[in-house]
Amino acid sequence: EAEVAQSPRYKITEKSQAVAFWCDPISGHATLYWYRQILGQGPELLVQFQDESVVDDSQLPKDRFSAERLKGVDSTLKIQPAELGDSAMYLCASSFPRGHEQFFGPGTRLTVL
Amino acid sequence: SQQGEEDPQALSIQEGENATMNCSYKTSINNLQWYRQNSGRGLVHLILIRSNEREKHSGRLRVTLDTSKKSSSLLITASRAADTASYFCATGTGTASKLTFGTGTRLQVTL
Repeated sequence: EAEVAQSPRYKITEKSQAVAFWCDPISGHATLYWYRQILGQGPELLVQFQDESVVDDSQLPKDRFSAERLKGVDSTLKIQPAELGDSAMYLCASSFPRGHEQFFGPGTRLTVL
Repeated sequence: SQQGEEDPQALSIQEGENATMNCSYKTSINNLQWYRQNSGRGLVHLILIRSNEREKHSGRLRVTLDTSKKSSSLLITASRAADTASYFCATGTGTASKLTFGTGTRLQVTL
């Protein structure tokens, strides 16, 4: 069964360091999403791609966060520099264009010390 | 920002009992979806109900939608220990397949 892949699963870093997360969506899914989930809350959309184009990045803290999907397939989310408040689960999801159901990866648990 | 709020925040029941979770939202929607999340894992899609539908079933799941009250409920019948998880409602708005998630209900099913 096709799955969304994410790596690493866990990341511990010190504040002011740079971190990067990788996501490989399900084959054929043109839409890719990055979410941040703080413990005890629901996921919050950071950025949405349609192929290689950004559709929505209104909640992405652009002073320190960046996301790219250069070839319209896999994607990288970067934080530089990391802050203590960035500790959270970072989830990637994908869907068909105009598809309503989103398929989630296992997430990357980030801890900033 | 979170569009929806689930109620209750936490629910503890015994195996075999029914579990009901409620979701309220603020703006007009195209559809409403329910997702399940096991501890420390990604979310799994459970069911979608469109704005012109009032009730939908899938296995042991029953979802209702009342757009006049901007609310939805998820009923899990004959619950099992494996149903222990957090459940989130998510509202779909606009044309870009964007979802806004609620705050979640933590369900604990004990033997």
